Amino acid sequence: DSGVTQTPKHLITATGQRVTLRCSPRSGDLSVYWYQQSLDQGLQFLIHYYNGEERAKGNILERFSAQQFPDLHSELNLSSLELGDSALYFCASSGTVNTEAFFGQGTRLTVV
Amino acid sequence: AQSVTQPDIHITVSEGASLELRCNYSYGATPYLFWYVQSPGQGLQLLLKYFSGDTLVQGIKGFEAEFKRSQSSFNLRKPSVHWSDAAEYFCAARGSGAGSYQLTFGKGTKLSVIP
Repeated sequence: DSGVTQTPKHLITATGQRVTLRCSPRSGDLSVYWYQQSLDQGLQFLIHYYNGEERAKGNILERFSAQQFPDLHSELNLSSLELGDSALYFCASSGTVNTEAFFGQGTRLTVV
Repeated sequence: AQSVTQPDIHITVSEGASLELRCNYSYGATPYLFWYVQSPGQGLQLLLKYFSGDTLVQGIKGFEAEFKRSQSSFNLRKPSVHWSDAAEYFCAARGSGAGSYQLTFGKGTKLSVIP
């Protein structure tokens, strides 16, 4: 158990819908990262938050957004969903600069 | 552009045999390097990491990796593979400077183990 909790584990939704994925980082970790894992793109970095502030953006679509709340949990919002958004979405957290990232179990999103 | 390459998509070894998974990186400066393992339906578990210092690093589950600057490589090894090692293995890197904390992953190597 990495200490990073993601909910829900599975999500099935229709095209055009909006979903919210939730992540609780390890106790004390201020950084939260979101990654998308798909068969064709592999593991891709989406966005990084540190103590409530956005720090870096990767290959994140404009239809996707994220935030980190004062209690440090984070949410990834995916809207106007398309079939191609079906993927495994991972959250990871880390502490200080020179520490490794620990990953949650992921949320498997299926868009039908 | 920064990149991580895992040349082998799929490797099959017999139980008890040795294992080496290859990883090459392309970064401006020596990055921090990691190996993660993903079992089916599971998340990513950190096996080991290299930040600096001793170029041979030990990890969990009997794995080790060697950093070779001259070859831009960080290969993962295990002297004797167990059936439970069957999984997908990802090499990852991140910059060592400020503001570069996100990981760049290789495409992964799937390991099958023959009993």
